[in-house]
Amino acid sequence: DSGVTQTPKHLITATGQRVTLRCSPRSGDLSVYWYQQSLDQGLQFLIQYYNGEERAKGNILERFSAQQFPDLHSELNLSSLELGDSALYFCASSASTGGAEAFFGQGTRLTVV
Amino acid sequence: AQKVTQAQTEISVVEKEDVTLDCVYETRDTTYYLFWYKQPPSGELVFLIRRNSFDEQNEISGRYSWNFQKSTSSFNFTITASQVVDSAVYFCALSERYNQGGKLIFGQGTELSVKP
Repeated sequence: DSGVTQTPKHLITATGQRVTLRCSPRSGDLSVYWYQQSLDQGLQFLIQYYNGEERAKGNILERFSAQQFPDLHSELNLSSLELGDSALYFCASSASTGGAEAFFGQGTRLTVV
Repeated sequence: AQKVTQAQTEISVVEKEDVTLDCVYETRDTTYYLFWYKQPPSGELVFLIRRNSFDEQNEISGRYSWNFQKSTSSFNFTITASQVVDSAVYFCALSERYNQGGKLIFGQGTELSVKP
């Protein structure tokens, strides 16, 4: 058990809909990362928050957004969903930035139908 | 540009064989970190090891060992006496110290199948 909790584990939704994925980092970790894993793109970095502030952005679509709350949990919001958004979404947390080991949650498998 | 290449897409071995997973990286930074993660069939990503660019000592942990060579930009992973439970996808990843807050750049992964 990595200590990172993601909910839900599975999500099936229709195209055009909006979903929210939730992540609780390991106790004490200030940094939260979101990654997307798909068959064609592999594991891709989406966005990072550190102590409530956005720290880095990767190839995140404009339809996607995230935030980190004062209690350090994070949410990833995906809207106007398309079939191609079907993927495994991982949250990871680390104690700091710049090379600290990141521990991953179990992932949320999103299926858009 | 940052890049991680795992040229071996799939490897199949018989139990008790030794197997080496290759990882080659590209970075312009002098300070960087390298990682290996395991993704078993259940899907989670399990942290295995982290090395920084200033520490080229090889590391051994039980049946696992890692060989870091800056001269060839490689960070290879060897499993000795493989077991069926080692069957998983293994990812090598790179993080640069001063770039983008420590995000991980992953290779495409190597799927290891260990047959009894």
